[in-house]
Amino acid sequence: DAKTTQPTSMDCAEGRAANLPCNHSTISGNEYVYWYRQIHSQGPQYIIHGLKNNETNEMASLIITEDRKSSTLILPHATLRDTAVYYCIVRPTILDMRFGAGTRLTVKP
Amino acid sequence: EAQVTQNPRYLITVTGKKLTVTCSQNMNHEYMSWYRQDPGLGLRQIYYSMNVEVTDKGDVPEGYKVSRKEKRNFPLILESPSPNQTSLYFCASSSLSGSRETGELFFGEGSRLTVL
Repeated sequence: DAKTTQPTSMDCAEGRAANLPCNHSTISGNEYVYWYRQIHSQGPQYIIHGLKNNETNEMASLIITEDRKSSTLILPHATLRDTAVYYCIVRPTILDMRFGAGTRLTVKP
Repeated sequence: EAQVTQNPRYLITVTGKKLTVTCSQNMNHEYMSWYRQDPGLGLRQIYYSMNVEVTDKGDVPEGYKVSRKEKRNFPLILESPSPNQTSLYFCASSSLSGSRETGELFFGEGSRLTVL
């Protein structure tokens, strides 16, 4: 299993872009990078995922380096409601997702 | 509205008293799964199911049972709860149609269980 490394915590000013890094240097060719977030003790929420190419949806952008050993989740205009724990997960499928400690993002006014 | 519904949301029980946490999804998903979340340990998978009558153990199945008799329901059964099963439990579901890799996990709101 590819292991991921994320900073324990980060702060971001409201309205600014939040850039959350994830290191996954042992990723295999068939493994996807998934991002989820968990607000307080609610159920985790899917954000985005990708294999090789950069991806964008209405919530965020995912930038994956060319060697696929790291990625960055970008929330373009962070709001207070984006305060959450963000999980970067590397797995071949969704069948047995492993959620680690994640990054606790605090968006400040 | 597409959702995963868990019940009860909160429960305090005593050691040895059998209980069932229900999970129901209205999205016709093939895949369903149970996780538990404990401080410092993250979310750990208990059991998962690929479809009706197909279930498999996750990372921490001891002390739990599941069944998948209907596509929409995936109850978690604690036959003889113990204090170490005090935790926050999440049910999740996903479609397996087409590419499995594009699946998005939909989570319920969680069930906080305390075993005294």
